[in-house]
Amino acid sequence: SYVLTQPPSVSVAPGKTATITCGGDHIGSKRVHWYQQKPGQAPMLVIYYDSDRPSGIPERFSGSNSGNTATLTISRVEAGDEADYYCLAWDSDGDYVFGTGTKVTVL
Amino acid sequence: EVQLVESGGGSVQPGWSLRLSCAASGFTFDDYAMHWVRQAPGKGPEWVSGITWNSGTIGYADSVKGRFTISRDNAKNSLFLQMNSLRLEDTALYYCAKDGQYGSSSYELSWFDSWGQGTLVTVSS
Repeated sequence: SYVLTQPPSVSVAPGKTATITCGGDHIGSKRVHWYQQKPGQAPMLVIYYDSDRPSGIPERFSGSNSGNTATLTISRVEAGDEADYYCLAWDSDGDYVFGTGTKVTVL
Repeated sequence: EVQLVESGGGSVQPGWSLRLSCAASGFTFDDYAMHWVRQAPGKGPEWVSGITWNSGTIGYADSVKGRFTISRDNAKNSLFLQMNSLRLEDTALYYCAKDGQYGSSSYELSWFDSWGQGTLVTVSS
């Protein structure tokens, strides 16, 4: 089955940039979506179709996807961005696959 | 505003059954595919099942295939998940999620743009 690998944790100072990767075989040929999940809450979509932002999501959130790595970038990080982040892609075997998840800590 | 409200969770023994429901509002329900996604305690989300707007195409994760059945009632703006032969590893928070693509004839190659707050299913002996 298809595997999407993320770093377990990323730490970033307020105002700096957080970069979260999602690695998968030829992931650049797939559409990747990103979710933010805070404790006790349902996941919330922050990026879809590799780089599109749903309404209400700040421009500080951006995405890219090429080769074997998709990337979520959070610019000018704020304390409120502290959360778990998951990538998502459709696997041609007939399954949606979530990444292993990344915990973002704001220092 | 999209609202998805799940119900029907509970504590059961292995081998038992449960039927989950999801009441949808704030959007035209039969314009969208719908999904169930679950999250075990301390783990990441896992897609369980998806269904097109007209129930014409349905898909399941291998982990639940043959045991779970997804269905919908467009007249009642409701989504369901019948779970049979429950196992310990089915313990999770079960979310109802709206597909991200308007008017799509498929539940595949999409994303989940709105989620409910979930209903907890605990399977233990």
